[in-house]
Amino acid sequence: AQSVTQLGSHVSVSEGALVLLRCNYSSSVPPYLFWYVQYPNQGLQLLLKYTSAATLVKGINGFEAEFKKSETSFHLTKPSAHMSDAAEYFCAVTPRGTGKLIFGQGTTLQVKP
Amino acid sequence: DTAVSQTPKYLVTQMGNDKSIKCEQNLGHDTMYWYKQDSKKFLKIMFSYNNKELIINETVPNRFSPKSPDKAHLNLHINSLELGDSAVYFCASSQGKGEGPRGYTFGSGTRLTVV
Repeated sequence: AQSVTQLGSHVSVSEGALVLLRCNYSSSVPPYLFWYVQYPNQGLQLLLKYTSAATLVKGINGFEAEFKKSETSFHLTKPSAHMSDAAEYFCAVTPRGTGKLIFGQGTTLQVKP
Repeated sequence: DTAVSQTPKYLVTQMGNDKSIKCEQNLGHDTMYWYKQDSKKFLKIMFSYNNKELIINETVPNRFSPKSPDKAHLNLHINSLELGDSAVYFCASSQGKGEGPRGYTFGSGTRLTVV
């Protein structure tokens, strides 16, 4: 069965530092891949989505993610963290043709001043 | 103008009660979903409807019954509520199976607390 693993349930960075949130998926066929952000007491907001058009995907708020088939990874990065980036981040996959989002466990990003 | 709206936002109720959560989307999407987020923030799909037809029904107790009167609405009715049903329930929608560029759009969630 398809699964998603986010390495690190909690990541802490200083303001202005690089943000790297890790995501690995298990699938023999590359699925659609997503990163969502959840701010406290709010819903899920789409950051970016990989659909096989390009391996480097740019999203909102300065985030981007690179799809690496050989590593089955889709890590999320941002060059310079901002205090407003503090939130819960979820990596998710949709096995093609299923319409079902399968989520990772989530990573809490803390940004220190 | 909210794209996917859920009501109520908060719901506190006693064990054994029956309650409903409503969801409406104004995006013109043809597929709607219910997801459950537990206390550890883990998200899992429960149901999906496409044009009022049930297409995904995960392993969910039959106390949970979704209803889709039309493709813009998907309600979730829960009978005989239990403590373990306490969670945040998210409604979502997509065009087709979410394979378009915008994927899935989520509502802001309903926090259900069973006491």
